[in-house]
Amino acid sequence: QSVLTQPPSASGTPGQRVTISCSGSSSNIGSNTVNWYQQLPGTAPKLLIYSNNQRPSGVPDRFSGSKSGTSASLAISGLQSEDEADYYCAAWDDSLNGRYVFGTGTKVTVL
Amino acid sequence: QVQLQQWGAGLLKPSETLSLTCAVYGGSFSGYYWSWIRQPPGKGLEWIGEINHSGSTNYNPSLKSRVTISVDTSKNQFSLKLSSVTAADTAVYYCARAPSTVRGVIITKYMDVWGKGTTVTVSS
Repeated sequence: QSVLTQPPSASGTPGQRVTISCSGSSSNIGSNTVNWYQQLPGTAPKLLIYSNNQRPSGVPDRFSGSKSGTSASLAISGLQSEDEADYYCAAWDDSLNGRYVFGTGTKVTVL
Repeated sequence: QVQLQQWGAGLLKPSETLSLTCAVYGGSFSGYYWSWIRQPPGKGLEWIGEINHSGSTNYNPSLKSRVTISVDTSKNQFSLKLSSVTAADTAVYYCARAPSTVRGVIITKYMDVWGKGTTVTVSS
């Protein structure tokens, strides 16, 4: 049972901007930094954004992250067909002696 | 370029113990936490737990009673054991490197290098 809530799906046409929300609480997003992962079908997740808005080397600047209070967002601008994947937010949660929690996941479809 | 190579038994019977190992190649073993994450078929990601080079561990409270994560620094390897498995433990299991920093009370932890995953099926 995920403690970070995401919409199950999002979609857009090539070139559009898509935004995915991630809703948490004071013990996770409200207290710690947020990360985003991209998972292409049949592959391991890949780190997309860390520390709220930082991109690892090699991640296109079409991907951007933001955080406000107990919510976070991932934006994909200039949507491309290869962006069709599952996206997960995640953060450390201070409750229950600490644990790392993932969001419920959002399937992005490029129409 | 850091790479993680993982292996372990892929088919278990209920009540058996799942055992997986992850080897770290091409980078420093110290200075990081090393994590296990799983993904049931068609479902989302679940963090199992982590260990650092000193052997300090953190476990998911929902699995803590059945999980043991250990480290062998001489081989740059870490391992997962999950006891008393049931069909609900059927999943793809991933190992990952987890850089972690604490600034004041703010914890930054993320998984930046992942293994390819091991499919574990529990069936009688």
